[in-house]
Parts: sequence; C-alpha cells; structure tokens
Amino acid sequence: NAGVTQTPKFRVLKTGQSMTLLCAQDMNHEYMYWYRQDPGMGLRLIHYSVGEGTTAKGEVPDGYNVSRLKKQNFLLGLESAAPSQTSVYFCASLSPGQGSYNEQFFGPGTRLTVL
Amino acid sequence: AQSVTQLDSQVPVFEEAPVELRCNYSSSVSVYLFWYVQYPNQGLQLLLKYLSGSTLVKGINGFEAEFNKSQTSFHLRKPSVHLSDTAEYFCAVSEPGTASKLTFGTGTRLQVTL
Repeated sequence: NAGVTQTPKFRVLKTGQSMTLLCAQDMNHEYMYWYRQDPGMGLRLIHYSVGEGTTAKGEVPDGYNVSRLKKQNFLLGLESAAPSQTSVYFCASLSPGQGSYNEQFFGPGTRLTVL
Repeated sequence: AQSVTQLDSQVPVFEEAPVELRCNYSSSVSVYLFWYVQYPNQGLQLLLKYLSGSTLVKGINGFEAEFNKSQTSFHLRKPSVHLSDTAEYFCAVSEPGTASKLTFGTGTRLQVTL
C-alpha cells in the first residue's frame, strides 16, 4: 500500500494564479483532511470530508475550495493564490472504528510558495 | 472549543539524557490525545495516543506519555534520547463526535546533540 500520497511535492505560483493539490489514499478510508503548516503555528485544519460527495470547513477555510468526487481522492483548490497561502500542505485520512481508532495517517506534504 | 499548548518551542538535550516535552490542553468535554513526530521534510507519524483506560501510554521508539486529567496535561517522556530523535513533536487533541478532527499545538523542536 502506498498509504497517503500528495501531488505535487513542490510548486511555485505567482499571485493570482490557480492550482489544485491532489491527495490520494489507498486504504479505503472514509474521512480525509487538509491541513496547512506554518512556522510557529503547528497544523491548522482547512477543510475535511467524512465521505464521498461531502465536505466541510475547518479552522482556516478562506481562499480554498475542496472536492471529494471519489472516495480515494480529496482535492484542494486555490482559485487565486495569495502570498499568505505560502505554506506546507498536508493531507490525512482516517477510518473510524477500524483498529487504529482515531489515528490520522498523513501524506508527505506539498510545499507551496506564492510569489 | 478545544486548544493545545506546547510551551516549549525548542528543547535541546544531550544524547542519552532523559527528556520531557510538555503539553497542556483545554476542553469542556472528554478528549482523545495524541503525540505526532515529524522528521525533517517528512509528514507526521503517530507516536502514541490516549483514548481511555490506563493513564500511562507507551508508544513507538521508547516514548511514553501520561494523561493527567486534573492538570489537563499529556506530557511526553523518553528516559534516554538518541540523535535520531531529533525532530518536531506535536501534541494534538480530538473531541469525540467531531469527525475526528485534530487540533494541534504549535510544536516542540527536540534537538539532540553529542
């Protein structure tokens, strides 16, 4: 199993450009999450999904949109990138009630720089 | 709303010395508690978790943590650290019934030197 994978690993954008980050998991997990990590601030939840076709806002959702069209994929979109969105983005997935209860499995991260 | 405080942003320690990384949380309900480790340029890996039961929890790589409800703490300990333990450590909390969302502390950088 590959676990949780993220595409791309690195990206540089100019202000105003758009892009989509892809998260894929092969563990048949129901829940998926997008976090951003900034120095001195830990990880903060952007959006999450508890199942295919459902999404919900987290702590810092402004400027981002998400979609969960397939159970194994969770997409994070930036419609008009801003320098404040320079960050490392992590995706995670979880399957409630299956052995590793409440354990989120994390991807390797995407480092995004917005100039 | 829940929150997590990691007061120490950096903890320097010599190899083979003991270490304690502090974590305090606040919540109006019972919580689940976690410690994650992040090695340079990698994702997060679960070290240990407390869901219920025994307040002393043992994790991977020789780490353990003790849940103290009265002090709302979940401090991480290791009796003897190695150079390879150099990493960022995050404490996190989750409340039951909230889609297992995690609230993270700001992290503690453990720097192990000779």
